[in-house]
Amino acid sequence: AQSVAQPEDQVNVAEGNPLTVKCTYSVSGNPYLFWYVQYPNRGLQFLLKYITGDNLVKGSYGFEAEFNKSQTSFHLKKPSALVSDSALYFCAVRDTGSNYQLIWGAGTKLIIKP
Amino acid sequence: GAVVSQHPSRVICKSGTSVKIECRSLDFQATTMFWYRQFPKQSLMLMATSNEGSKATYEQGVEKDKFLINHASLTLSTLTVTSAHPEDSSFYICSARDRDGGVNTGELFFGEGSRLTVL
Repeated sequence: AQSVAQPEDQVNVAEGNPLTVKCTYSVSGNPYLFWYVQYPNRGLQFLLKYITGDNLVKGSYGFEAEFNKSQTSFHLKKPSALVSDSALYFCAVRDTGSNYQLIWGAGTKLIIKP
Repeated sequence: GAVVSQHPSRVICKSGTSVKIECRSLDFQATTMFWYRQFPKQSLMLMATSNEGSKATYEQGVEKDKFLINHASLTLSTLTVTSAHPEDSSFYICSARDRDGGVNTGELFFGEGSRLTVL
């Protein structure tokens, strides 16, 4: 069965430090992977996606993610965290069925402390 | 980027009344829209898939008579919570896929969400 795991409920990082939000996946076939961010009481915003090509994907707001096929991971990273990065982050993988739905991770709350 | 507008952002209603939430794609056509429910500190729960011009496909455990979905045009889908009760209080989010772009990737564009409080 296809699934996405975000092993950390919450990640705390000091402002200016690098951050990593972890995501692992399980799919049959080639994965299409996504990261979305949700600010309080708001909808989700697309950050970046991996379809094919370079394993390092660059996205919005200075975020990037590295696709690692051997480890089935797609961790979200940023070299220098900002307080404004504090939000809820969701990893998702495309359903390999015909409806192209996304399968969602549970979400990781990222807290950046000044 | 593509914009999805969701309205109202907040609604408070009395138990037993019905509430309609609209989801519009503003600058693209969406043959498919998705409706999610999100409980506090939890991930998104897919409720149903709304296809323009046809009946919605509901996920297991979601009452279709309770949550009525209409997708009458390529830019509008509505979710009506009928005879709402306090346990229906939640954050409802819609998303849409651009008919002409991202179809094969699965990328979705989200509305801002609607917080429903049933008294």
